[in-house]
Amino acid sequence: DGGITQSPKYLFRKEGQNVTLSCEQNLNHDAMYWYRQDPGQGLRLIYYSQIVNDFQKGDIAEGYSVSREKKESFPLTVTSAQKNPTAFYLCASTRRHQGNTEAFFGQGTRLTVV
Amino acid sequence: AQSVTQLGSHVSVSEGALVLLRCNYSSSVPPYLFWYVQYPNQGLQLLLKYTTGATLVKGINGFEAEFKKSETSFHLTKPSAHMSDAAEYFCAVSTGWNAGNMLTFGGGTRLMVKP
Repeated sequence: DGGITQSPKYLFRKEGQNVTLSCEQNLNHDAMYWYRQDPGQGLRLIYYSQIVNDFQKGDIAEGYSVSREKKESFPLTVTSAQKNPTAFYLCASTRRHQGNTEAFFGQGTRLTVV
Repeated sequence: AQSVTQLGSHVSVSEGALVLLRCNYSSSVPPYLFWYVQYPNQGLQLLLKYTTGATLVKGINGFEAEFKKSETSFHLTKPSAHMSDAAEYFCAVSTGWNAGNMLTFGGGTRLMVKP
């Protein structure tokens, strides 16, 4: 079955560490996105990528980095510069970066700073 | 610029009662509108979407929504709530093919269903 796989489901980070969240899709979608979810704040866009080897900052990109070396993969690194990284992170993809196409979401990664 | 407002961060209904979750949007161009549902510790699942055509849109699990341009609204309804409908619901807007025009989400509404 086609879909988006995020791993790990739970992740714990020590202060000052970088961590990488994995996102893989086998839907043959061109565009991929990372969102951060905090209670009561909905989803906020971190980064998005329309095509391989290209990506754009979203609304809250500071302290995060991404890469898009393959169409199927869009990993997110939470760097030590992100001062409040504890949140639920969601990866999504769309067939194209086009407004009328629905987004498909992964199951999320819950990151906790310990 | 586009934005979405969901009125009521928490809504509680009795099982069998009408479900009404409110969504108002702001957009300078005709919008595309979506409702997603999220169960605890899971991703979002599409309930329904409005792109063009019929303004009353039917989705999964008995939900439907009506696009009202004059009211800039896209409220989600279900005639009879079921315990399994308890979840968080997100309204989202997008405005088409253009760099930077992304899905913008509302703050979400948590639906609680009482037995």
